[in-house]
Amino acid sequence: GAVVSQHPSRVICKSGTSVKIECRSLDFQATTMFWYRQFPKQSLMLMATSNEGSKATYEQGVEKDKFLINHASLTLSTLTVTSAHPEDSSFYICSADDRATNYGYTFGSGTRLTVV
Amino acid sequence: SQKIEQNSEALNIQEGKTATLTCNYTNYSPAYLQWYRQDPGRGPVFLLLIRENEKEKRKERLKVTFDTTLKQSLFHITASQPADSATYLCALIVGGSQGNLIFGKGTKLSVKP
Repeated sequence: GAVVSQHPSRVICKSGTSVKIECRSLDFQATTMFWYRQFPKQSLMLMATSNEGSKATYEQGVEKDKFLINHASLTLSTLTVTSAHPEDSSFYICSADDRATNYGYTFGSGTRLTVV
Repeated sequence: SQKIEQNSEALNIQEGKTATLTCNYTNYSPAYLQWYRQDPGRGPVFLLLIRENEKEKRKERLKVTFDTTLKQSLFHITASQPADSATYLCALIVGGSQGNLIFGKGTKLSVKP
């Protein structure tokens, strides 16, 4: 079946530094990928929709200059958290639109970001 | 305002019983509703999708119903097993068939042996 690979699975960084998270579709092409954030015991909140070859669409309240998204190819989208702060600590998950699975979106395994 | 509610934060049942999870929504008119399983520290895994014109869908021990009048979906796991213990999320697709997924908070199911 469709697989989305997300790296790293865990990262700890210092305040003020930037962190890049990669999301790859391994056996299918994804023109659209989605980035979510999930706080403990909360639902997944959509941050942005990443479209190959064009600018990402950000949800209300998400700072596009802080969460940089690049979708340079049909199999790779990256999320860079710039100038990270402790409040950015969260679980970040990507997903891809895989039409082959009957509209079930395929998710990556997530990245646990801790900013110290 | 638009809301998706999964009425139980946690559900504990005995092995072999049927688990029933509820998802209610307000102020949406979704064409599709999905159920996902999420294990701790992992991304969600797609289980089932049901369309607005479908009343019921089954997959092995799973059954989903969708009542657009009540704005409710029920998710059943029959003959539950300890391995079914996880958080189950319902999600709506809004903005058309290729639109965004909006998730409920999930119900944490624990199946005791």
